[in-house]
Amino acid sequence: DAGVTQSPTHLIKTRGQQVTLRCSPKSGHDTVSWYQQALGQGPQFIFQYYEEEERQRGNFPDRFSGHQFPNYSSELNVNALLLGDSALYLCASSLIVARGPGAEAFFGQGTRLTVV
Amino acid sequence: GENVEQHPSTLSVQEGDSAVIKCTYSDSASNYFPWYKQELGKRPQLIIDIRSNVGEKKDQRIAVTLNKTAKHFSLHITETQPEDSAVYFCASSYTGGFKTIFGAGTRLFVKA
Repeated sequence: DAGVTQSPTHLIKTRGQQVTLRCSPKSGHDTVSWYQQALGQGPQFIFQYYEEEERQRGNFPDRFSGHQFPNYSSELNVNALLLGDSALYLCASSLIVARGPGAEAFFGQGTRLTVV
Repeated sequence: GENVEQHPSTLSVQEGDSAVIKCTYSDSASNYFPWYKQELGKRPQLIIDIRSNVGEKKDQRIAVTLNKTAKHFSLHITETQPEDSAVYFCASSYTGGFKTIFGAGTRLFVKA
């Protein structure tokens, strides 16, 4: 079991560009959440995908969008990049338990995005 | 909106002492409270979690307590070791696990 994998590991982009980050969930998991972690801070929830739909969203602008594929993998897209978008982007997968307590999330190693 | 406050932001202890990190959550619907450890340059990893039907849970040197009335939960690490040095995050979630809110983190230093 490879766990949660993310690609690429590092990325440098210019302001105004667009970026796509990818995530493959842990085997058996059906839900993918994306987080932004600025240096020295806790992960900030961006959104979560389940059954190929965005189920919940944090306080992030529409420049941040995503997608989940039938194989449960997911993409995070960020348009019109700003310097402030520089951060570690973490993907976490879990198995939703309907009507049960929250599910343990397994994190990928993250994608370090630098916007210059 | 939902919020999780975590204290202290930095904690320094002597090897062998205990460390306590406290969190407060705002969403009364929260019923799942995981704790993550993140070492420098690595991904957050779950170290212990507690669900709302339990007041306390222990796993070797690590324990977590939950007070749902006060919306407080705490992490206790006993007999600390240098390898416990890391950033610890508390988090809260609820039924279905659609959204997990993280605290800002506590940087723990264990001095040998």
